[in-house]
Amino acid sequence: QVQLVESGGGVVQPGGSLRLSCAASGFTFTRNDMHWVRQAPGKGLEWVAFIRHDGSNKYHADSVKGRFTISRDNSKNTLYLQMNSLRAEDTAVYYCAKAMNRDGYSYFDYWGQGTLVTVSS
Amino acid sequence: QSALTQEASVSGTVGQKVTLSCTGNSNNIGSYAVGWYQQISHGAPKTVMFGNSLPSGIPDRFSGSKSGTTASLTISGLQPEDEADYYCSTWDYSLSAWVFGGGTKLTVL
Repeated sequence: QVQLVESGGGVVQPGGSLRLSCAASGFTFTRNDMHWVRQAPGKGLEWVAFIRHDGSNKYHADSVKGRFTISRDNSKNTLYLQMNSLRAEDTAVYYCAKAMNRDGYSYFDYWGQGTLVTVSS
Repeated sequence: QSALTQEASVSGTVGQKVTLSCTGNSNNIGSYAVGWYQQISHGAPKTVMFGNSLPSGIPDRFSGSKSGTTASLTISGLQPEDEADYYCSTWDYSLSAWVFGGGTKLTVL
């Protein structure tokens, strides 16, 4: 069965950095696009970043552009999110999600359990 | 403010049919299919609809549709376990971003 396990969350000071990881199993990671999605406390879901299956194309939300970078290591079946210059408003649970393409459209398919990032002094 | 607009809350009784809506524009819903995601008690989201197709394991009381720039998720025969927050999402080509609705809190009375 598909499993996505996030790690790397924690408490960091404003301006600090953190790298999140998402270990994938139960599907062919090298053939699937992936996303990061976050949810601030008491708020809704917010898409953060996307990466193609081979790393050839990446998109980042405007709110994190220039500060966050999505990447992947297909040899390790792992997705990453490097987060720099963190702000209080980046405080959220971060989910990795497997993308699914059907009939030419892209959806979020399976989701991990999430890892909490708290930006606070 | 979310790019997609959803009702803040919807309620229904067990066995009732309820419809959740998601309104966007020609840059997103008007051009792309919509996914629907269920989140129970702020746990991990779960996908309940790909456009108008059901993921495996999702009961067929869930159905999806779209007309113009509005997508809908209908639950026929509401069950207590359907109580959750529901989010819609799609690609927006003018933003080059995936966008979500603000979410609808579904209460089963």
